[in-house]
Amino acid sequence: SSELTQDPAVSVALGQTVRITCQGDSLRSYYASWYQQKPGQAPVLVIYGKNNRPSGIPDRFSGSSSGNTASLTITGAQAEDEADYYCNSRDSSGNPWVFGGGTKLTVL
Amino acid sequence: EVQLVESGGGLVKPGGSLRLSCAASGFTFSSYSMNWVRQAPGKGLEWVSSISSSSSYIYYADSVKGRFTISRDNAKNSLYLQMNSLRAEDTAVYYCARPILWGDAFDIWGQGTMVTVSS
Repeated sequence: SSELTQDPAVSVALGQTVRITCQGDSLRSYYASWYQQKPGQAPVLVIYGKNNRPSGIPDRFSGSSSGNTASLTITGAQAEDEADYYCNSRDSSGNPWVFGGGTKLTVL
Repeated sequence: EVQLVESGGGLVKPGGSLRLSCAASGFTFSSYSMNWVRQAPGKGLEWVSSISSSSSYIYYADSVKGRFTISRDNAKNSLYLQMNSLRAEDTAVYYCARPILWGDAFDIWGQGTMVTVSS
């Protein structure tokens, strides 16, 4: 099965812009989706497809992709954005789905 | 309201069995493939198993293949995960998750049910 690689931790100053990346071979064929998870809660989808936000997700969240790397950008990070973020995509080598290891975002 | 509600988690001894259920409401359950995703304490998300809308296609992660069985009952709007030969490393919160129809993301998640495998 494929793997998706994320940086374990990223920090950003309040109000600044942060990019969280996800690398993997499957991303050459499929878009990544991104999930926000706060402690004790289920994951919440924030970005899917080329750059789509589900209803209720602030427009400071955006997604992009190039080659084998997908990125989640938060423009003007807020304190409530502090959370774990996971990428996910279809798997190009057998299993239907694969998740990244997650990135812990700290808002300073 | 679109909702998924898991149940059936608990404490089980190594080698034991447990059956998880996921009750769906607020959408046409029979139109969607469904999935189980788990998260070990302090760890990341791990896809466990998928089942197509009509149960024709079923997939498992290598870590559970041969021990877990996914199934569904479209008449009851329910998804199941039969877990046998449980190991300590199966300890996790188990989520059922619905993918976007014709899409590549999980837009609806249940609240999760905790499975603890310990003697």
